[in-house]
Amino acid sequence: LAKTTQPISMDSYEGQEVNITCSHNNIATNDYITWYQQFPSQGPRFIIQGYKTKVTNEVASLFIPADRKSSTLSLPRVSLSDTAVYYCLVLKLSFGAGTTVTVRA
Amino acid sequence: EAQVTQNPRYLITVTGKKLTVTCSQNMNHEYMSWYRQDPGLGLRQIYYSMNVEVTDKGDVPEGYKVSRKEKRNFPLILESPSPNQTSLYFCASSYGDKDTQYFGPGTRLTVL
Repeated sequence: LAKTTQPISMDSYEGQEVNITCSHNNIATNDYITWYQQFPSQGPRFIIQGYKTKVTNEVASLFIPADRKSSTLSLPRVSLSDTAVYYCLVLKLSFGAGTTVTVRA
Repeated sequence: EAQVTQNPRYLITVTGKKLTVTCSQNMNHEYMSWYRQDPGLGLRQIYYSMNVEVTDKGDVPEGYKVSRKEKRNFPLILESPSPNQTSLYFCASSYGDKDTQYFGPGTRLTVL
């Protein structure tokens, strides 16, 4: 099974860009990389998904290098409401342990 | 409104007393799964189902059962709950196993 590894926590300040990197060394050829956001007492919510290179949507960007062994979620100009736990998922069986991002005023 | 619902949202029970947590989705999704979330361990998959009558074990299936008799429902069954099954449980569904998953609101279970 692919295993994902990500930092346990990160601190930032309002208006800054936050980059969270997830390692997935054993990613399979046909696996997509998906990132989720979770607030306390709620289920995870989809943020972005990609296969390779760069994907951007209205809330985040996802950078995936050519070897696909890692991926970086980029949250531009974070606000206090972005304080949450962020999970990367490669295989359906393998969520990372989650990264708690705390945004300070 | 497209959603995944779980019941109950909170449950306190005692060791050995069988319980069922229901999960239902109204999006006609084929893929459904159950996760448990524990501090420091993130989300771990318990069981998943690719379609009706098709279920398979995830990372941590011991002590759990599931069934998928209908497309929309995927109940999680604990035949004889133990304290180490105290956790926060999430049900999720998607069109396929590699598609975006939609999560339910969670069920917080405490086994005394």
